[in-house]
Amino acid sequence: KAGVTQTPRYLIKTRGQQVTLSCSPISGHRSVSWYQQTPGQGLQFLFEYFSETQRNKGNFPGRFSGRQFSNSRSEMNVSTLELGDSALYLCASSLGQVTGNTIYFGEGSWLTVV
Amino acid sequence: GQQVMQIPQYQHVQEGEDFTTYCNSSTTLSNIQWYKQRPGGHPVFLIQLVKSGEVKKQKRLTFQFGEAKKNSSLHITATQTTDVGTYFCAGDMNYGGSQGNLIFGKGTKLSVKP
Repeated sequence: KAGVTQTPRYLIKTRGQQVTLSCSPISGHRSVSWYQQTPGQGLQFLFEYFSETQRNKGNFPGRFSGRQFSNSRSEMNVSTLELGDSALYLCASSLGQVTGNTIYFGEGSWLTVV
Repeated sequence: GQQVMQIPQYQHVQEGEDFTTYCNSSTTLSNIQWYKQRPGGHPVFLIQLVKSGEVKKQKRLTFQFGEAKKNSSLHITATQTTDVGTYFCAGDMNYGGSQGNLIFGKGTKLSVKP
């Protein structure tokens, strides 16, 4: 069974540009969440999608957005990039059941903003 | 807001020594999960604890969940160089099923000197 797949793995963008990251969850998983990981702040929750609806959202500005498609694949977008957006962006999927979810992370997308 | 505090932030041990990391939550958890992230890698699920006072073992790793379901620990006996990485706890704050209810600790970075 294939794991969580994220593309691209590495990218470099310039301040002010926008970026779209893609995530394909484990087959059968309906919940996809996104995290930002930086050395200083650790793992921070961005948002979660379940059945194409945003179910939960962290404390990030509106420049960070996402969506989920009917096949559970998800994308996140960051507009007007800032230097501080440089981070590892992790996608994670789970069954999205009532309790006791185990989340499975992808390998992440390393974003560098210059 | 709700937090999961994890200590220590760093731990350097000699190979063969034991290692313990602790997590404390400001609120009662429905469950707690532990993840390991190798250098340059992504977090990988280790275990989930659900019951008050639960203790689980995986070879040299022992996981405990406190009686009040507010704290947890991971203990590694006789560390090996393969144990190197950052260990994260993630507290599930309620029974809503949303991944957004998982609050990650900042992690404990373990280095092992051969």
